[in-house]
Amino acid sequence: GENVEQHPSTLSVQEGDSAVIKCTYSDSASNYFPWYKQELGKRPQLIIDIRSNVGEKKDQRIAVTLNKTAKHFSLHITETQPEDSAVYFCAGTGGTSYGKLTFGQGTILTVHP
Amino acid sequence: GAVVSQHPSWVICKSGTSVKIECRSLDFQATTMFWYRQFPKQSLMLMATSNEGSKATYEQGVEKDKFLINHASLTLSTLTVTSAHPEDSSFYICSARGLEGDTQYFGPGTRLTVL
Repeated sequence: GENVEQHPSTLSVQEGDSAVIKCTYSDSASNYFPWYKQELGKRPQLIIDIRSNVGEKKDQRIAVTLNKTAKHFSLHITETQPEDSAVYFCAGTGGTSYGKLTFGQGTILTVHP
Repeated sequence: GAVVSQHPSWVICKSGTSVKIECRSLDFQATTMFWYRQFPKQSLMLMATSNEGSKATYEQGVEKDKFLINHASLTLSTLTVTSAHPEDSSFYICSARGLEGDTQYFGPGTRLTVL
């Protein structure tokens, strides 16, 4: 099955700086890679996703890049704000037809004012 | 759009009792629902995949007789923790996937505490 590794486990930045979180996956059949943001005690919220036929996707301050050859994808947050502080999870689908997600270990992002 | 509700949001029960958690997709039909368990400061661990009208598919190591899943309609799935014990205390989260697309939308979670 799919295995997703996420780094770093914690990331601390100053407000206004950029933050990058990286994930690698094992199943070359994976074709969908979402990123979720989870605040303490709350539900994971989808912030951006990318499909395997696209190399990059951007939504305002958030972007995701995908390298299928190397089997890794990254989340980029620019101009970070304190409200970006949360736990971020990447995920991959593997080769399943029903969309089962395998999640990375999570990254605790702290943005200092 | 794409709202998923979960009930109850928290529950405290005595050891040995059974607890039922409901997951509903409010404004879309969900062909597939997923049940996760999340321990403090850890990632989401998939427990089982629930498809409407068929038996759930459990992940390795998850006891199907302990965690009963029913997906009675395209908008409702339930998870019943049978004979709960303190080690079952956790945050249980469901997600729902619509008829089109891969996106999973998560419920708010249920915090279960077994005394």
